[in-house]
Order: sequence, then C-alpha cells, then structure tokens
Amino acid sequence: DAGITQSPRHKVTETGTPVTLRCHQTENHRYMYWYRQDPGHGLRLIHYSYGVKDTDKGEVSDGYSVSRSKTEDFLLTLESATSSQTSVYFCAISEPSAGEQYFGPGTRLTVT
Amino acid sequence: GESVGLHLPTLSVQEGDNSIINCAYSNSASDYFIWYKQESGKGPQFIIDIRSNMDKRQGQRVTVLLNKTVKHLSLQIAATQPGDSAVYFCAENEGANSKLTFGKGITLSVRP
Repeated sequence: DAGITQSPRHKVTETGTPVTLRCHQTENHRYMYWYRQDPGHGLRLIHYSYGVKDTDKGEVSDGYSVSRSKTEDFLLTLESATSSQTSVYFCAISEPSAGEQYFGPGTRLTVT
Repeated sequence: GESVGLHLPTLSVQEGDNSIINCAYSNSASDYFIWYKQESGKGPQFIIDIRSNMDKRQGQRVTVLLNKTVKHLSLQIAATQPGDSAVYFCAENEGANSKLTFGKGITLSVRP
C-alpha cells in the first residue's frame, strides 16, 4: 500500500459522537486525499490537501473536516457521526508531477 | 461486511482466457486515465495508466486501449489467473490538478 497506513482499520461508533480517522504516509508525497466508498457509488472525494495547512473540499464534504499539520499526516474528523456516514474510508497520496494516486488499506466505519 | 463488489456488473472468464474490461468516460477534456484493481477488503491498487496522446500502452500481462473518438477505455488481461479476481475500475482526470473521477467498477470473476 505504498507506505500508507490508516488508523483505526475498523471502528464502530454511536450516532452523535465525534470520530477522527488518521492517514499516515512515509512517501513524502505532497498531495493527500480522503475518499469514501459505498456500494453503487464508487469512490467519492471528501477532502483533499495540496500541502501542509492547504486543504479544500471535495464533492461530499458536508459533515467532515480535515487537518494537515505535517506532510505525513492527514486527519479526517466527523464532528457528530451520523448513520449515513457508515462507509469505508480510503486515504490516497500523489505527487504534483504525477497523475496516479496510491491508496491506503481503508478504514471501515460503522455508525449505529 | 458488505463487499464493494455488490451491485456491480460482473464479468466471468475461464482461467487462462483473456479478459477485456471496458469503461466509458464522459469528459472529453480528460487527458489522463488509470485502471485500478481492488481486492476484497483492500485498498485500490494502481495497475496501469495512459495519457491522451497515446492509444495503447502495455504492461506485464495487461494492455490499456484508449479510443478518444468514442470516449472509451479498455483493460485487457492476458491469460487470466484466479488472482486476477477483483473489482476493476477506471479513473480519469483533466489537467494538472490531479483530482480523479472514478467509475463504479466491474467485478471480474475467474472460473477455475
């Protein structure tokens, strides 16, 4: 998985609780992304980052926030989890000069 | 847990045969295309890419063909093996901003 780890790998939480997912890379890639993957929808971009403290919204950003204080870490926070946020979350990385993105192993989040 | 492969079209092939997986894209301005493979419970894995100034590119046992006239991309896998069983999806982007748009995917099932 190209030097990308995600934690936790599995989490069950209750509606209304805050949740933070972590993506850590050892590749020193400048760009990082958070996606969610749901049956019938494919991969959808939540937020992305083009560098430290440089983040922006993707197509499904409502209910999510991100932070990137170091090149190697990109955090995704659900301030108040809802059942519609039950999904598999993937982090990806890329370099500005290359188009391909490399993905982490994913976090399966269940909101009850 | 629910598989990402549910609700996707399925291509079933005999072990040893060649597989052809197709993808139609909608953005005529897209200039870069990628094929990913995703095994159950894992993150998407980069297979091969192609830029719009090419119509064919070969890798190890895989070939990607691009037909810009009809906005069609295909992935050919030679001598399909059981380990090729997975969900395959294409992705495209336009320009240098590196944000990819992903297709929903096709499940490849290899019969022994």
